[in-house]
Amino acid sequence: SAVISQKPSRDICQRGTSLTIQCQVDSQVTMMFWYRQQPGQSLTLIATANQGSEATYESGFVIDKFPISRPNLTFSTLTVSNMSPEDSSIYLCSVVTGAGYTFGSGTRLTVV
Amino acid sequence: KNEVEQSPQNLTAQEGEFITINCSYSVGISALHWLQQHPGGGIVSLFMLSSGKKKHGRLIATINIQEKHSSLHITASHPRDSAVYICAAQAPSRAQKLVFGQGTRLTINP
Repeated sequence: SAVISQKPSRDICQRGTSLTIQCQVDSQVTMMFWYRQQPGQSLTLIATANQGSEATYESGFVIDKFPISRPNLTFSTLTVSNMSPEDSSIYLCSVVTGAGYTFGSGTRLTVV
Repeated sequence: KNEVEQSPQNLTAQEGEFITINCSYSVGISALHWLQQHPGGGIVSLFMLSSGKKKHGRLIATINIQEKHSSLHITASHPRDSAVYICAAQAPSRAQKLVFGQGTRLTINP
């Protein structure tokens, strides 16, 4: 299965600032998913990122708040923009291959 | 009602006990996944099931397609098994997107 390197693992940010999270995959994958996990909750899909096209956002998530880049088949970034304390969550990327789903190690974001 | 329901939500047991976590789903699936999330937040895929039963070490996962039900069993539980276990349905109607259960927080005491 694929191996994902996700950075940063955690960060504490001031409200109003932005944070960019990176995921690097050790193999080429078509689809990459970005999730948010709020405290005590399960995972919620933010968007699906395909290389060479605009990301597809789920209901309740917009590109201005969570811009995503997918410059090639092994890399993607998610930016959390103009952060507020409500954005404090774990953010994870995930890919799917023939062997199943692989998840990044997560980014624990705290907004103060 | 959630499309993927897990029970129990929380489970505390003593080391060595046999553990069962249940998952029921209402969507049509191409596969059912069991995931493990440790306190640091990272998620590991344990099993991908489309039928029958799979075993890996002390972990066993079963699925009954007709009843739309899956179970995860842990034999001879150990404190290092303490984690959140998440059931997720891979539904053909949702492309490759997973539909997640709410998770079961398992604590194994020594």
